[in-house]
Amino acid sequence: GENVEQHPSTLSVQEGDSAVIKCTYSDSASNYFPWYKQELGKRPQLIIDIRSNVGEKKDQRIAVTLNKTAKHFSLHITETQPEDSAVYFCAASNGITGGGNKLTFGTGTQLKVEL
Amino acid sequence: GAVVSQHPSWVICKSGTSVKIECRSLDFQATTMFWYRQFPKQSLMLMATSNEGSKATYEQGVEKDKFLINHASLTLSTLTVTSAHPEDSSFYICSAPGPGATEAFFGQGTRLTVV
Repeated sequence: GENVEQHPSTLSVQEGDSAVIKCTYSDSASNYFPWYKQELGKRPQLIIDIRSNVGEKKDQRIAVTLNKTAKHFSLHITETQPEDSAVYFCAASNGITGGGNKLTFGTGTQLKVEL
Repeated sequence: GAVVSQHPSWVICKSGTSVKIECRSLDFQATTMFWYRQFPKQSLMLMATSNEGSKATYEQGVEKDKFLINHASLTLSTLTVTSAHPEDSSFYICSAPGPGATEAFFGQGTRLTVV
């Protein structure tokens, strides 16, 4: 089955700096890679996703890059703000539409943005 | 957007009793739903895939007789934790593919505490 590794487990940055979280996956059939932000005791919130036919996607301060050959993808957050502090999870799945199949999650990254 | 509602949000039960958790898609139909479990400071781990009108598919290591899943309609899946023990205490989250199955939508989660 799929295995997703995520690094780092904790990340502390100064407000305004950039944050980068990296994930690798094992199943070459995976073709959908979402990123979630989860606050304590809450449901995961989709912040950005990318499909395997795209190498990069950007939404305001958030961007995701995908390297299919190397089987890794990364989340980039620029101009970090205190409200970005949360746990971030990467995930992978396969399927025609992406969102219809089970997700394999990474181990999570606790991001702390300090004033 | 698509809404998935989970009930209850939290429950405390005694060892040996059973607890039922409901997951509803409020404004769309879901022939498939996914149940995840998340222990404190850990990732979401898929427990099983719930299929409307047929048996659930359980992940390796998940006891199907202990975690009973029923998907009796296109908008409701239930997870029953039978003979609960303290080690079953966890955060249980369901998800369903939204319309077009391009994105997974999560319930708000259920915090189960077994005492």
